Amino acid sequence: GAGVSQSPSNKVTEKGKDVELRCDPISGHTALYWYRQSLGQGLEFLIYFQGNSAPDKSGLPSDRFSAERTGGSVSTLTIQRTQQEDSAVYLCASSLGQGSYSDTQYFGPGTRLTVL
Amino acid sequence: EDQVTQSPEALRLQEGESSSLNCSYTVSGLRGLFWYRQDPGKGPEFLFTLYSAGEEKEKERLKATLTKKESFLHITAPKPEDSATYLCAVYLYNQGGKLIFGQGTELSVKP
Repeated sequence: GAGVSQSPSNKVTEKGKDVELRCDPISGHTALYWYRQSLGQGLEFLIYFQGNSAPDKSGLPSDRFSAERTGGSVSTLTIQRTQQEDSAVYLCASSLGQGSYSDTQYFGPGTRLTVL
Repeated sequence: EDQVTQSPEALRLQEGESSSLNCSYTVSGLRGLFWYRQDPGKGPEFLFTLYSAGEEKEKERLKATLTKKESFLHITAPKPEDSATYLCAVYLYNQGGKLIFGQGTELSVKP
């Protein structure tokens, strides 16, 4: 079956510009997560959506970062006024969600963001 | 503070040379521990979930085990295609759904 998809696969932008990254979760998964993987760093949690509940935004590094999830499916991560330190691979994952025993997270291929 | 540490950072093996990767954790309320494999330029690929001390899971040449303080990923008679970065992550109670990852072990298997 189809896995998690992300677009674009690569994005190069200039410092100060806004970018939008898209994630399509696995069909039927109610939970969606965004992580960031910087060079030499581990995966860092950013934000978590579970069904219609308010998202857990505790991992967002600054107010330049925001995310939304429309219709309980597709999610968009927006970074405003990008800085060079935002350069990283942004990974999206989805899982069955609350109530499932293992709640395994399945990851997409990521979007590589480069801020010049 | 919840912490996950993987060792070694990098491991070079000859084909057929068995070894183990370590993931030690200091957390409150472990709900589960995950192992993922990540190839260059790709997202992490799920391997195993372990829930309680003493649990073991196997898949081909890989075997994951769990104690109260650490997990091991044993690789038996590795092949070059096993070369990848192996990531360990913990899933905690009262932390929503987020995973806390270790830094990973980069495994290279030479023919």
